[in-house]
Amino acid sequence: KNEVEQSPQNLTAQEGEFITINCSYSVGISALHWLQQHPGGGIVSLFMLSSGKKKHGRLIATINIQEKHSSLHITASHPRDSAVYICAVDLGGSQGNLIFGKGTKLSVKP
Amino acid sequence: NAGVMQNPRHLVRRRGQEARLRCSPMKGHSHVYWYRQLPEEGLKFMVYLQKENIIDESGMPKERFSAEFPKEGPSILRIQQVVRGDSAAYFCASSPYQNSPLHFGNGTRLTVT
Repeated sequence: KNEVEQSPQNLTAQEGEFITINCSYSVGISALHWLQQHPGGGIVSLFMLSSGKKKHGRLIATINIQEKHSSLHITASHPRDSAVYICAVDLGGSQGNLIFGKGTKLSVKP
Repeated sequence: NAGVMQNPRHLVRRRGQEARLRCSPMKGHSHVYWYRQLPEEGLKFMVYLQKENIIDESGMPKERFSAEFPKEGPSILRIQQVVRGDSAAYFCASSPYQNSPLHFGNGTRLTVT
């Protein structure tokens, strides 16, 4: 069983829709990261959080430590949001030694 | 302030050759991390370095792979005697201090023929 599970694996949405991507993990963590990997392959760090909720523009990330679950929400989705979204957890060992989910591939249609 | 720079962007090597992948962290960042993304698989941690020190290499294959981050110059990930299974995208990230968000480079795509 993977320590980090993401759902759904693939997601197709119409422009303007509200999108939710989920991440569940089975171990204790010190922090959780949400990353965006563009079709060209580059990776952008969206959020790093250890509790509560963070917001940046149209993106919102929440985490529930007790339930070992995090969600990434995209409001008013746009075709440029099409990418793979990756959840990664930090077990609190050495910095950067993350365990990654397999990613959720999002396609937003105009 | 330039982001994390990786080069080359694409690298083709024949089996048995050496591959050297370079990563220049963002200015002011002294923590460097390397990750590997095999085709159709998720990212995997390889190694964490600070200037002149390997802090955590628990994700590095025991043979043929090495990494360094010298006092001057970029971090280097070196793969000796490459095999087809080494074909992957290799990403570098950097951060200014511990427990801070990571900044990723665009990756080096290694193809072994």
